Amino acid sequence: GAGVSQSPSNKVTEKGKDVELRCDPISGHTALYWYRQRLGQGLEFLIYFQGNSAPDKSGLPSDRFSAERTGESVSTLTIQRTQQEDSAVYLCASSFSTGRNIQYFGAGTRLSVL
Amino acid sequence: DQQVKQNSPSLSVQEGRISILNCDYTNSMFDYFLWYKKYPAEGPTFLISISSIKDKNEDGRFTVFLNKSAKHLSLHIVPSQPGDSAVYFCAASGGSNYKLTFGKGTLLTVNP
Repeated sequence: GAGVSQSPSNKVTEKGKDVELRCDPISGHTALYWYRQRLGQGLEFLIYFQGNSAPDKSGLPSDRFSAERTGESVSTLTIQRTQQEDSAVYLCASSFSTGRNIQYFGAGTRLSVL
Repeated sequence: DQQVKQNSPSLSVQEGRISILNCDYTNSMFDYFLWYKKYPAEGPTFLISISSIKDKNEDGRFTVFLNKSAKHLSLHIVPSQPGDSAVYFCAASGGSNYKLTFGKGTLLTVNP
């Protein structure tokens, strides 16, 4: 596709369940980012992948959160034992490389934890 | 600690007039600034950016001004159009730090 694709667009889950969110970056983009937007807040950085380098996980809020990326393709963000405070829109972005390159965002996954 | 602040949650302007959206930052390491626009149920879309070596960047109806001494930037939209109605986010990064730090956004409503 032409843009960053995320699935599912909406996810409702029960507290304590695990969820997996998927991101397909723009073809050729080596960098991939996950952000979270809670209601009324700005976007909060979670994790960053660049090629085959070790990911920067410094934004992950707890060890219940993890992410993987295979090469320069699809990434999955996994949240284990979901809590109500995990409810947010999870946004994925990709760019050609780091630094000054523009990050292009997907439409996000709206996660609701009941 | 909020490093990028957009103090106006909302702004309403008349079609054809100028819209001015403001952003303040506290981290002196930030040297690259971006504005994104976001419609409901869509991801943020890049609008315009500015490097700290400049004080102004213009692209069509959109101009971003940077005042480094005041740690302040603003986005001017002129003339404003109803299609500009959206949430506008200010974002910043610094040096080799690729992470974008975002403000909370300003909801712009352009009335016909």
